[in-house]
Amino acid sequence: EVQLVESGGGLVQPGGSLRLSCAASGFTFSGYWMHWVRQAPGKGLVWVSRINGDGSRTTYADSVKGRFTISRDNAKNTLYLQMNSLRAEDTAVYYCARVVNYRIDYWGQGTLVTVSS
Amino acid sequence: QSALTQPPSASGSLGQSVTISCTGTSSDVGGYDYVFWYQQHPGKVPKLMIYEGSQRPSGVSNRFSGSKSGNTASLTISGLQAEDEADYYCCSYTGSSTLVFGGGTKLTVL
Repeated sequence: EVQLVESGGGLVQPGGSLRLSCAASGFTFSGYWMHWVRQAPGKGLVWVSRINGDGSRTTYADSVKGRFTISRDNAKNTLYLQMNSLRAEDTAVYYCARVVNYRIDYWGQGTLVTVSS
Repeated sequence: QSALTQPPSASGSLGQSVTISCTGTSSDVGGYDYVFWYQQHPGKVPKLMIYEGSQRPSGVSNRFSGSKSGNTASLTISGLQAEDEADYYCCSYTGSSTLVFGGGTKLTVL
């Protein structure tokens, strides 16, 4: 059974940093592109970033480019999102997602990041 | 990377059909077959309902169908049921090698 379990969310002050993790199981992790998608409270889904199977290719939404870094450790079957210079508008539930041919076929349960002083 | 345009709300009576539109540009919806529709119930994780514009994943009811014309994709739900009441999001691959979502449509079943 495919499982994606995010962790690392919490309350952080504006300008602060946070690293999210997503532990994957039930599939060959290195064989898949992985993405992060976020959803602000009461708002819609917003795509954040993606990384290919071996970690050599990454892409970011303009809103996070230069502040967020996606990475993965295939030996640990874990996806990461390093978030720096956090802003209030980054407050959201962050989902990790497995992607096949650009379609998200599995989502994690999400981890809430709150940026507030 | 502007969000795709969806109507904020839609409604239909039990048993009727409803269509939700999703308008983008030639750099996303109009340029690729990679258009997807997700259903999200309150407090739940999104669920893939349609992929590649018109394909249904196994387990998704054939009451759900997708289509595309130019820069606009559409999701049609026929024979509306109470459990179809949810938020629906379109999503497209873009020429910038990113994904972009629509703003979401809240479907109410009357």
